[in-house]
Amino acid sequence: GQSLEQPSEVTAVEGAIVQINCTYQTSGFYGLSWYQQHDGGAPTFLSYNALDGLEETGRFSSFLSRSDSYGYLLLQELQMKDSASYFCAVRAETGANNLFFGTGTRLTVIP
Amino acid sequence: KAGVTQTPRYLIKTRGQQVTLSCSPISGHRSVSWYQQTPGQGLQFLFEYFSETQRNKGNFPGRFSGRQFSNSRSEMNVSTLELGDSALYLCASSHSGRSNQPQHFGDGTRLSIL
Repeated sequence: GQSLEQPSEVTAVEGAIVQINCTYQTSGFYGLSWYQQHDGGAPTFLSYNALDGLEETGRFSSFLSRSDSYGYLLLQELQMKDSASYFCAVRAETGANNLFFGTGTRLTVIP
Repeated sequence: KAGVTQTPRYLIKTRGQQVTLSCSPISGHRSVSWYQQTPGQGLQFLFEYFSETQRNKGNFPGRFSGRQFSNSRSEMNVSTLELGDSALYLCASSHSGRSNQPQHFGDGTRLSIL
């Protein structure tokens, strides 16, 4: 089976840095993605890691360690609008678009 | 470029009925995936269609089915509705199926079963 674990809730202060971890156990692995979803909205793509290391996109960075089956999303200079749910998702099959999602981390940014 | 469009946005049905949901992908995208989102189970993969063929299927009963048309638009059908089918149904499209391509999600159809 497939399982992805991430913290259910995280609270951080505006302007701070927060890290959301994701550990996975899947039958195959072809990349780890992160999605953001605001209440009532659609999930939106943030980042994708296929190889070990850090990928940076503006205030957001994502890291992957395939040997540890672990990744994280790093959000810097937090803004109130970053309050949302964040999902990690694994693509477990090549040539397929079926993502296995974690249960999501609800981030609350406080003033 | 228009995003992924799902219709209807909200739907109320009763147990035993059937329902059809529609998804129009981003122009040029050939892959359409469907997901069910519930508070308890999170986002769960239902199935994926590519070039009118079902390419992958998740672990859902046969009451859940879908199809894709030649213009890449996709429909999902659920028959003999149960209370547990109440959920947000999300459709996502991508250009082909390569691992590094992000999926673009629609706003979903919120289905409530009474």
